[in-house]
Amino acid sequence: EVQVVESGGGLVQPGGSLRLSCAAYGFTFSTYWMYWVRQAPGKGLVWVSRINNDGDSTTYADSVKGRFTISRDNAKNTLYLQMNSLRAEDTAIYYCARAVGPTNSWLYYSMDVWGQGTTVTVSS
Amino acid sequence: QSALTQPASVSGSPGQSITISCTGTSSDIGGYNYVSWYQQHPGKAPKLMIYDVTNRPSGVSSRFSGSKSDYTASLTISGLQAEDEADYYCSSYISRGSLIFGGGTKLTVL
Repeated sequence: EVQVVESGGGLVQPGGSLRLSCAAYGFTFSTYWMYWVRQAPGKGLVWVSRINNDGDSTTYADSVKGRFTISRDNAKNTLYLQMNSLRAEDTAIYYCARAVGPTNSWLYYSMDVWGQGTTVTVSS
Repeated sequence: QSALTQPASVSGSPGQSITISCTGTSSDIGGYNYVSWYQQHPGKAPKLMIYDVTNRPSGVSSRFSGSKSDYTASLTISGLQAEDEADYYCSSYISRGSLIFGGGTKLTVL
């Protein structure tokens, strides 16, 4: 079954760090762009970051640039999000998602496989 | 960059058709044909309903359709059903691999 499963969320103090992981199953992970999207309690979806299939191209939302780092280990079929200097406004459910199509398909900018999310709470 | 603009709520009766709009600028919706629509039921992960403005993923009902005109994209749901009640989000490509979402629309089936 094609799926992604997030882990690593939890309670962290302001200024702290956390690393989220996203394990991929049932598809050739190394050929897909991957995304992180978050959703604050009772709020809408917000795009956080994206990484290409090789891991050598990344982009970030302005709100997390310089604090968060997206990366991937294609040998382990795993996506990561390193979150540093966390703020209260980073409190959210963090979703890992796969682009619709593999590299060379140009189906990069929509996400068709989503995990159930992992909850990050930043509070003292 | 500000979120794409969606109505906060729309409603319709079973069997009717409704349309949800998503308004952006020349830097997002108006500049690219990379608009997507997602459905999210409470406590669940989002589900892709439309990608690249008009395309439906395999398994998504043909009652869902997408379109775009200038800076506004639209999602139309025909033959409204109770299970369509959910939050709907649009998204668009911006540049250099970045995306932006709309604020979301709550669909109520009366």
